[in-house]
Amino acid sequence: GESVGLHLPTLSVQEGDNSIINCAYSNSASDYFIWYKQESGKGPQFIIDIRSNMDKRQGQRVTVLLNKTVKHLSLQIAATQPGDSAVYFCAENAGGTSYGKLTFGQGTILTVHP
Amino acid sequence: DSGVTQTPKHLITATGQRVTLRCSPRSGDLSVYWYQQSLDQGLQFLIQYYNGEERAKGNILERFSAQQFPDLHSELNLSSLELGDSALYFCASSVRPSGVETQYFGPGTRLLVL
Repeated sequence: GESVGLHLPTLSVQEGDNSIINCAYSNSASDYFIWYKQESGKGPQFIIDIRSNMDKRQGQRVTVLLNKTVKHLSLQIAATQPGDSAVYFCAENAGGTSYGKLTFGQGTILTVHP
Repeated sequence: DSGVTQTPKHLITATGQRVTLRCSPRSGDLSVYWYQQSLDQGLQFLIQYYNGEERAKGNILERFSAQQFPDLHSELNLSSLELGDSALYFCASSVRPSGVETQYFGPGTRLLVL
């Protein structure tokens, strides 16, 4: 599963709405997943992570759902704010306890309208 | 601010030249990762170091090399530069080298090869 950054999916929402960003991952051996937020001109910023032995994890305003059967990950953002506008990447890691090679998805552009 | 620092922020150079990118990990982190972000390839893992030793390798070209020094900072050397090497280069760090550790990213170095 190499990332291809040609045409990023986009999601446009109104302020206050809930947002759901989806990601299909490629490696059934992956056991750790992370969502990152990247604003223009900045590095990826950690949002939330989940281990493969879980199917749901909640943070502040964010929830990650993991469906290993169909190799699908989603990020739910509650009460989306204009400051949430950014590119969101899912990343998977199949390195276990040995190494930390992250494989990134292509990213989704989230635009929040006031 | 993730605590990971990278220098320089921007670099403009010519084809055939050699450049060195520098990364200082978060305090206490022993593992350093390098990633390349380009428009056509997205975010791609290059290489990982842990406590001075290479731990994992990704799609890193032979013209590229890296090392991690005793003070844990890392350098990525890019030589015989080509136009296609123009990209954002990110460094990330984590406490341990495993694949279930959160990686925190620096602000990146934007390289432009003319």
